[in-house]
Order: sequence, then C-alpha cells, then structure tokens
Amino acid sequence: EPEVTQTPSHQVTQMGQEVILRCVPISNHLYFYWYRQILGQKVEFLVSFYNNEISEKSEIFDDQFSVERPDGSNFTLKIRSTKLEDSAMYFCASSEAYNSPLHFGNGTRLTVT
Amino acid sequence: AQSVTQLDSHVSVSEGTPVLLRCNYSSSYSPSLFWYVQHPNKGLQLLLKYTSAATLVKGINGFEAEFKKSETSFHLTKPSAHMSDAAEYFCVVTPIGTGTALIFGKGTTLSVSS
Repeated sequence: EPEVTQTPSHQVTQMGQEVILRCVPISNHLYFYWYRQILGQKVEFLVSFYNNEISEKSEIFDDQFSVERPDGSNFTLKIRSTKLEDSAMYFCASSEAYNSPLHFGNGTRLTVT
Repeated sequence: AQSVTQLDSHVSVSEGTPVLLRCNYSSSYSPSLFWYVQHPNKGLQLLLKYTSAATLVKGINGFEAEFKKSETSFHLTKPSAHMSDAAEYFCVVTPIGTGTALIFGKGTTLSVSS
C-alpha cells in the first residue's frame, strides 16, 4: 500500500538555526498538510497546500514557517530561526481530494537545543 | 467552533474483553468524524470515518464507531481486545465545507493486559 514518507525521522538543531523537514506524499494525492504534536499535547494543524499554494493555515503557521513543493514529489516544511518551543513531532499528510481521509507519515521528531 | 473531547485519557482492558473509547464532538455544521490510531514510533493510521452515510461505521482491525447526533458522540468500540490494539487513539473532526483542517482530540491511551 502506498504511504507517505518523511525524512529525517529525528532532527536535532540549535536554537536560531533553520531546518527543512521533508515529505514525499502519496503520488496521486493532490492535498498536502503539515501537523505538529508537542510532547504531551494535542496534534495541531499547521497548513494545507493545494495546487502549488497554501489553501489554509493556522495561527501557529506564522512568518517563521514556509512550505514548498520544489518538484513533483517532495513537500517541505521550512522553519526559520528555530526556538526551543518548536520542539515537537511534525507529521506530513496527504489526501486524494478535498475532505478525503488523510494519510499520515511516521513523523519527524524535531529537537531544538 | 468545532472541537472534540475524548473523555478518558487512559483506558486499560484485559485481552479478550470489550473496548470502549469515548468521544464527544461539538460542531456547528454536519461534521465528518474520524478515529486515528498511533502506535509507538509510527504515524497516524486511519481506523474509520463517518461522513453522513450510515451511522454505524466499521473500520479496520475489528473496530467500529456509532455516530449519535442526539448525544453528539462518536464512541469507538471493539468486542474483544487484542494485545496489538495497545496504542494512542485520536478522535478527529472536520466540518464539511469549511476547510480541510482536522481538529484532534487529546487522545486516549489504550493499554491491553494479558
């Protein structure tokens, strides 16, 4: 069964550095998402992406964050000037169509020191 | 505003006994409701979904959930727990027609003992 893949599985970075989290969505899916889960807290929506542009974003997704689909397969989340509170598990997801169930990757655990 | 409340943060059952994970939702619109499961060090896997068709929804691994509008509930059940069911379970809502963002509950940790 096709799946969403995320790399790396664990990323450690120093405060103030930039990180790029990578995702390869399922190939025939059209909608792409990033969610995050801070340890012990709820899974939170960050952003959705469709047709090469952001279709929806949450209050969390401020100017520190950006997303890109640099080629036909990858979907990236860039976090600039990382802060300690950015430490979390970041999940990428994709869906075939609007309101179709989301398929999630295994996540990237980001640790900011 | 839309929200989900998972009534139990932790549920413990014995293998072979029934499982009940409770979820209540709040939505101004007719919601789509989902249950996702997360095994340790794994991604979120869809168990089942409700999208205004049959109110009793069957999912994978023997799980099912019943949508009860009068009670605004979407509880997850399984007749007989298996050790492999031990995981974190999330009740999720997305209102139809107002975007694609999923709203997650806080999660329920299911422990299964032999």
